[in-house]
Amino acid sequence: AAGVIQSPRHLIKEKRETATLKCYPIPRHDTVYWYQQGPGQDPQFLISFYEKMQSDKGSIPDRFSAQQFSDYHSELNMSSLELGDSALYFCASSVHRGPSSGANVLTFGAGSRLTVL
Amino acid sequence: AQRVTQPEKLLSVFKGAPVELKCNYSYSGSPELFWYVQYSRQRLQLLLRHISRESIKGFTADLNKGETSFHLKKPFAQEEDSAMYYCENFGNEKLTFGTGTRLTIIP
Repeated sequence: AAGVIQSPRHLIKEKRETATLKCYPIPRHDTVYWYQQGPGQDPQFLISFYEKMQSDKGSIPDRFSAQQFSDYHSELNMSSLELGDSALYFCASSVHRGPSSGANVLTFGAGSRLTVL
Repeated sequence: AQRVTQPEKLLSVFKGAPVELKCNYSYSGSPELFWYVQYSRQRLQLLLRHISRESIKGFTADLNKGETSFHLKKPFAQEEDSAMYYCENFGNEKLTFGTGTRLTIIP
């Protein structure tokens, strides 16, 4: 079965550079969530989108932006990268409405590991 | 504001012993609660949800509205249960995760 696809799997950047991470949700999932997980840290919620509109915002720095496109894939854009941005960035998708057995269940991607040097 | 509290950051249990990971929530509406698990170097994945009242890998969790709890239990711990466990509530269009409990099973 198709899962949540994230690319790239690994990314190495230098300070002050920019990076873009992509997330392709499970087909027919309309909601995407972004999380950041630093080494040994709990996942921190960044931002979410439902039907291409931002639905919730967490601890996303102003240097970061994200959007969800018409095909429901999402991109997280990170600028002026700092050493502290080195982390695993998870994307998760879900279907917002539907049978109660499936609605709002998150399926996570494998993550994109960003290393800032 | 909704909150999910997992009071134990670390929990160590001997193999074969019972396990209970605590989760308390604070939410004025009807909660929709989940447990997610993250094994070492793997992605977060759904363990179980209160709506389906299922048992996955021997784990169960019962919603107690009186105590606003959704504790995760397993009668006999196994070494492969060692992982991070996150309790999560979906309410009012928002997700709220607990801070997680690292469960270590001692052989």
